[in-house]
Amino acid sequence: EVQLLESGGGLVQPGGSLRLSCAASGFTFSSYVLYWVRQAPGKGLEWVSGITGRSSNTYYADSVKGRFTISRDNSKNTLYLQMNNLRAEDTAVYFCAKEGGSGRNFVAYFDDWGQGTLVTVSS
Amino acid sequence: EIVLTQSPGTLSLSPGERATLSCRASQSVSSTYLAWYQQKRGQAPRLLIYGASSRATGTPDRFSGSGSGTDFTLTISRLEPEDFAVYYCQQYDTSRWTFGQGTKVEVK
Repeated sequence: EVQLLESGGGLVQPGGSLRLSCAASGFTFSSYVLYWVRQAPGKGLEWVSGITGRSSNTYYADSVKGRFTISRDNSKNTLYLQMNNLRAEDTAVYFCAKEGGSGRNFVAYFDDWGQGTLVTVSS
Repeated sequence: EIVLTQSPGTLSLSPGERATLSCRASQSVSSTYLAWYQQKRGQAPRLLIYGASSRATGTPDRFSGSGSGTDFTLTISRLEPEDFAVYYCQQYDTSRWTFGQGTKVEVK
């Protein structure tokens, strides 16, 4: 059974930093593209970032480019999101998600999700 | 960036009724990269449909997806009590993933 468990959320002041983690199990971690997707309170889903299996490619939404950095440690089966220069509009539940399919082909949808971790940016 | 617009914003229906949800793209989307998700309050999204029309593992056959180009549809043939939730479409194009704003299916 695939499990994704986010941690690291909390309250941070505007301009501050936070690092989110997502511990994964139940699948061949290094074979899959992984993502961060966020949801502001009462709002819809917004894709934030993605990283390929061996970290050769990373992708960012324009809203976070230059402030957030996605990374992964395949030896620890863990995905990270380093968030710097945080703004009030970054307040959201952050989900990690795994790409669907077998891991051999790019499919661009998210078939397993964690339960999310809440990030609140406020003074 | 491709923008997905879902309609209606809210659909008020009774159990047993048919639900038809629309997702319209600002430019053509590859059917391969069009997916639908269900989200219940306080829960993570759940994949329902991928490749515009393929049901994900565990998706009941009352859910079906169709469409191509710029117009896609999620149909729930007969609403069950557990189907009342928010539904999102999602697409991928040139290193960008975007979601529609969601359609809430509520009990009438």
